[in-house]
Amino acid sequence: NAGVTQTPKFQVLKTGQSMTLQCAQDMNHEYMSWYRQDPGMGLRLIHYSVGAGITDQGEVPNGYNVSRSTTEDFPLRLLSAAPSQTSVYFCASSWATGGREKLFFGSGTQLSVL
Amino acid sequence: QQPVQSPQAVILREGEDAVINCSSSKALYSVHWYRQKHGEAPVFLMILLKGGEQKGHDKISASFNEKKQQSSLYLTASQLSYSGTYFCGPREGGSEKLVFGKGTKLTVNP
Repeated sequence: NAGVTQTPKFQVLKTGQSMTLQCAQDMNHEYMSWYRQDPGMGLRLIHYSVGAGITDQGEVPNGYNVSRSTTEDFPLRLLSAAPSQTSVYFCASSWATGGREKLFFGSGTQLSVL
Repeated sequence: QQPVQSPQAVILREGEDAVINCSSSKALYSVHWYRQKHGEAPVFLMILLKGGEQKGHDKISASFNEKKQQSSLYLTASQLSYSGTYFCGPREGGSEKLVFGKGTKLTVNP
């Protein structure tokens, strides 16, 4: 069982570049979400999805886009990277929406924007 | 808005107890608790649902008071392995998302 798989594990970007962080789960989870983690700020919700074709904004959505065309995949796109987006990004998924079931986290992507 | 966790950090000696609190400004449906070791992903500890039940996991237990919109995590007879950052994630009624607090860094020394 792969669980929640995030790629890449590390990435360095230049300001203004775009990229996509990949997240895939093989557990047929309904709910998927992206968090960013910065020192002293905890885990902040960027975007989430309650099923294929349905996405919504979290606490810090600016500068990020998401889509969910399949149940398994939930990519996070940075359209024009900024140094403020330097962070560790976690994808997490759950059987059910609304916090009814536990979250499974991916191993994270460490992103540096120069 | 992120829930408020207190304290921000706590240092214990092995065998001592600790309490971590989590409060929200909104009505809650459930509360999640996770622990994260340095350089790793958060790991699930427990979920508490409406009803004020107290759940336990080894010597770690938690309570949930939905009327006060608060949850507390109790760590009893702490072990070195308890070190890490603890996050609460309350789910607000009517919301499908899970928002986490800033975390409480727990250090257990020999």
